[in-house]
Amino acid sequence: EPEVTQTPSHQVTQMGQEVILRCVPISNHLYFYWYRQILGQKVEFLVSFYNNEISEKSEIFDDQFSVERPDGSNFTLKIRSTKLEDSAMYFCASSQYQGSTNTEAFFGQGTRLTVV
Amino acid sequence: GENVEQHPSTLSVQEGDSAVIKCTYSDSASNYFPWYKQELGKGPQLIIDIRSNVGEKKDQRIAVTLNKTAKHFSLHITETQPEDSAVYFCAASSPTNTDKLIFGTGTRLQVFP
Repeated sequence: EPEVTQTPSHQVTQMGQEVILRCVPISNHLYFYWYRQILGQKVEFLVSFYNNEISEKSEIFDDQFSVERPDGSNFTLKIRSTKLEDSAMYFCASSQYQGSTNTEAFFGQGTRLTVV
Repeated sequence: GENVEQHPSTLSVQEGDSAVIKCTYSDSASNYFPWYKQELGKGPQLIIDIRSNVGEKKDQRIAVTLNKTAKHFSLHITETQPEDSAVYFCAASSPTNTDKLIFGTGTRLQVFP
């Protein structure tokens, strides 16, 4: 069964450092997403990406965050200058969404980011 | 924007009993309602979903019901087993151009043998 893969599984970084979280979505999917889950809390939408541009972003996704699909297979989330409150599990997801019909979103296993 | 509320936050049942988790949503335009199961240290995994043109859907021991008028939907697990123990999230999505999911706060289900 196809799956979304994320690397690394765990990233520890010092406050103020830049981190890049990587994802390989399912190959025939068109929409890509990043979600965040702070420990013990619900999963929160960060950003969606389609046709090589951001289609929607939440208020969490400020100027410190950026996304990129550099080579047609990887999908990355960059946090420019990490803060303690960025510590969370970050999930990548992808779907075949085609405008008027919602389709299943497949989630990766997540990257646990710890900012110290 | 959409807001999804989920109850209860924790649920403990004896093996073989049924479990019911309820969610309400605020945006009447929402038309897709998936349920995800999250095991410790893993990503959310879709277990069942329902679209607004149907009122109920069943898959073996799992069923979901949707009441569009009241804007609530529920997950029903029958004959629970210890391996059903996990956190369950409901979500809602509206037909915008992004298909983003708005998640509920989660229900920690514990099934005791």
